[in-house]
Amino acid sequence: DAGVIQSPRHEVTEMGQEVTLRCKPISGHNSLFWYRQTMMRGLELLIYFNNNVPIDDSGMPEDRFSAKMPNASFSTLKIQPSEPRDSAVYFCASSTGQGGQYFGPGTRLTVT
Amino acid sequence: KQEVTQIPAALSVPEGENLVLNCSFTDSAIYNLQWFRQDPGKGLTSLLLIQSSQREQTSGRLNASLDKSSGRSTLYIAASQPGDSATYLCAVDPQGGSEKLVFGKGTKLTVNP
Repeated sequence: DAGVIQSPRHEVTEMGQEVTLRCKPISGHNSLFWYRQTMMRGLELLIYFNNNVPIDDSGMPEDRFSAKMPNASFSTLKIQPSEPRDSAVYFCASSTGQGGQYFGPGTRLTVT
Repeated sequence: KQEVTQIPAALSVPEGENLVLNCSFTDSAIYNLQWFRQDPGKGLTSLLLIQSSQREQTSGRLNASLDKSSGRSTLYIAASQPGDSATYLCAVDPQGGSEKLVFGKGTKLTVNP
């Protein structure tokens, strides 16, 4: 199995631009998670889906952030408009729901 | 609110040493606890998953223990190697089935040859 796939691996954009991060979970996993990692705050859960349905988005920082999962093999996290404080590494993870999450390599986002 | 603490934040040891990484959590009502490894610029790799009913899990040179009542877990690494250098994070699932992991900030381990 290829594991969780994320794209792009690196993204540099200017403040105010729209950013879209993509994730392909492991085939057969029915839960998908988006995390953000910064030096100051560590790893934070933003939102998670179960069977393509958003279950908890309480970690989404504000309305500029949105996430979708149109099917079992694809999810997006969108930031519009982006701000410098959004600079972080964004991870996607998936699981079978039986315990144990598998993480992708992350997208390093820099907003200038 | 569940909080996870890892001490020390950084640890440097000579190759061959046995070492222990610590993780503590404030609410003992957890579903499971997971230890991860993160290499610089990489994602997280799951090392060991301990269910709340278990006391320990072992994988190769790694052994993780769980004491729910005291809110503690330890990761024991035997005969450390330079390749073990990485940041180790622990995470707890505070609610059965929710999988809303709460992470510690990690311990950065350096094993010197």
